[in-house]
Amino acid sequence: AQSVTQLDSQVPVFEEAPVELRCNYSSSVSVYLFWYVQYPNQGLQLLLKYLSGSTLVKGINGFEAEFNKSQTSFHLRKPSVHISDTAEYFCAVSVWVSSYGKLTFGQGTILTVHP
Amino acid sequence: DAGVIQSPRHEVTEMGQEVTLRCKPISGHDYLFWYRQTMMRGLELLIYFNNNVPIDDSGMPEDRFSAKMPNASFSTLKIQPSEPRDSAVYFCASSLLAGQETQYFGPGTRLLVL
Repeated sequence: AQSVTQLDSQVPVFEEAPVELRCNYSSSVSVYLFWYVQYPNQGLQLLLKYLSGSTLVKGINGFEAEFNKSQTSFHLRKPSVHISDTAEYFCAVSVWVSSYGKLTFGQGTILTVHP
Repeated sequence: DAGVIQSPRHEVTEMGQEVTLRCKPISGHDYLFWYRQTMMRGLELLIYFNNNVPIDDSGMPEDRFSAKMPNASFSTLKIQPSEPRDSAVYFCASSLLAGQETQYFGPGTRLLVL
């Protein structure tokens, strides 16, 4: 079975500073990787996903993530954050070959951007 | 498209009462998922459907929980009888396919059982 670990439960950062949210996964088979964002009192929405190909994936709102197979990591980065990026971020994996194809989510990282 | 629609958005009920949560997926999506989100356990998959058929309900916590999808545009999650520990935010999501496809989440139903 696959699992996801988000290494930081909370990340405070000042506006315009860079940020990295860390995600590690474990799986015995190849996976698809996702980052979702949840703004207060809203559902989750997709930021970006890695399916195959280039290990650097660009998403919405200036976020990007890098898939590192040897490190089994999929860290999310943004070079300069805005107040509006304050939200909870979830890393998720989906097993590549599975009759189920269901997502397994990490515990989430709350990003708080201070002025 | 209106996205995934859930109702009600908030529900407050007393222990022992029946609770029914509703979901309308995005038209054309073959997969529908029910999740529960709590502070303690995070985001958990309860059950998912493919073409209206339940595929994996291993996440359903107890027999008090049941889910149905009578047609491609409607699903319900029922809790009977409800207990305070069922208090959580329940999300419905849908996708075209499973695996590599993006799941689109509804706004959630915030349930409080007193």
